[in-house]
Amino acid sequence: DAGVTQSPTHLIKTRGQQVTLRCSPKSGHDTVSWYQQALGQGPQFIFQYYEEEERQRGNFPDRFSGHQFPNYSSELNVNALLLGDSALYLCASSLKGRGLNTEAFFGQGTRLTVV
Amino acid sequence: AQKVTQAQTEISVVEKEDVTLDCVYETRDTTYYLFWYKQPPSGELVFLIRRNSFDEQNEISGRYSWNFQKSTSSFNFTITASQVVDSAVYFCALSEAYNFNKFYFGSGTKLNVKP
Repeated sequence: DAGVTQSPTHLIKTRGQQVTLRCSPKSGHDTVSWYQQALGQGPQFIFQYYEEEERQRGNFPDRFSGHQFPNYSSELNVNALLLGDSALYLCASSLKGRGLNTEAFFGQGTRLTVV
Repeated sequence: AQKVTQAQTEISVVEKEDVTLDCVYETRDTTYYLFWYKQPPSGELVFLIRRNSFDEQNEISGRYSWNFQKSTSSFNFTITASQVVDSAVYFCALSEAYNFNKFYFGSGTKLNVKP
């Protein structure tokens, strides 16, 4: 049973560019949350997707957007990249449907460097 | 507002020493959940424990133990007889009652266990 997989593992982008990060949830999971972890800090909640809609959002600008596909996989898009967007981006999946609320499993993250 | 504070940025111990990682939280919710996660250099967050706000029983799992005290809003984590493999960053986190995939993380404590 594959866990949460994220791609790519590392990425280098230039200021002003756009980036797309991908997440495949653990088998059977229907909810995906994205987190940004700056160096030396704890992860910060960006947003959560369930049933292909953004359900909750943290304190992040509109440059951060996402999508969830019918197979529950998800993308995180960041436009107009800033140097401060350099971080480890973590994806976490869980099962929320059918009245359940299961433990979240995290992927290994995508290390984004903006130069 | 939800907040988690881990005042210890970094701790260094010698193998076989006991070590306690502190966590203090703030929330206005009456029902909430507390977590500890371990983050090795690979980046993936590894689940260690979940506790709900109504269960103040201390828990022991092998060399790990947790002390939850609602009166002081603390959820401390003790490793007994530490080992080099325990070296990692440890995060304390708070989640809403019905959403185990929206975490408020502390800033983490880096534990160095030296042989």
